[in-house]
Amino acid sequence: EADIYQTPRYLVIGTGKKITLECSQTMGHDKMYWYQQDPGMELHLIHYSYGVNSTEKGDLSSESTVSRIRTEHFPLTLESARPSHTSQYLCASSEQGQILGDRPGELFFGEGSRLTVL
Amino acid sequence: KNQVEQSPQSLIILEGKNCTLQCNYTVSPFSNLRWYKQDTGRGPVSLTIMTFSENTKSNGRYTATLDADTKQSSLHITASQLSDSASYICVVSDRGSTLGRLYFGRGTQLTVWP
Repeated sequence: EADIYQTPRYLVIGTGKKITLECSQTMGHDKMYWYQQDPGMELHLIHYSYGVNSTEKGDLSSESTVSRIRTEHFPLTLESARPSHTSQYLCASSEQGQILGDRPGELFFGEGSRLTVL
Repeated sequence: KNQVEQSPQSLIILEGKNCTLQCNYTVSPFSNLRWYKQDTGRGPVSLTIMTFSENTKSNGRYTATLDADTKQSSLHITASQLSDSASYICVVSDRGSTLGRLYFGRGTQLTVWP
């Protein structure tokens, strides 16, 4: 079982509020990721990090920001939430990149944070 | 354009029956293919990972196959159980970067009825 945790699991807030989705892993993984998933749709990478003080934007443009001050912690922040931000946000981590010779890195997901912005 | 297409979009079967889910991809250069199980409202959990040199891999009642020539994979579920009801997601990774870009399918929603 993966030791990666997300809080809150569910959040309903009003437009304009600032929110932070927390993600922590106890596996000592350097690489962490945030994905966005809408019902019936594929996961889209919105942010990733190779390690402490490293953050990069993913393929899907997002108004959210992330930080990586500690290896185990990768929070996602929305400064001013809007209804268009309503979605499921999934955090993941891996020990190495998805490629390592012939042995791809295992990707572990958290349980997700479902955000609803009214 | 790199893509991952899954079929069927949804499937209903009776408990105890077998089923096969399909995944076709156009990702190139290919690195590996994964199948994930995602229960409703939960995060995906890995079932199998296959590299170019592997054409079959099992995990209990789940057996995945890979044909890298035709760029097709299948996930076969044997003797289905009610707990198999979930979305099954095919994910393909390329070799274009050290991160290994992941391409996700939209999943097949499997429902197992008693």
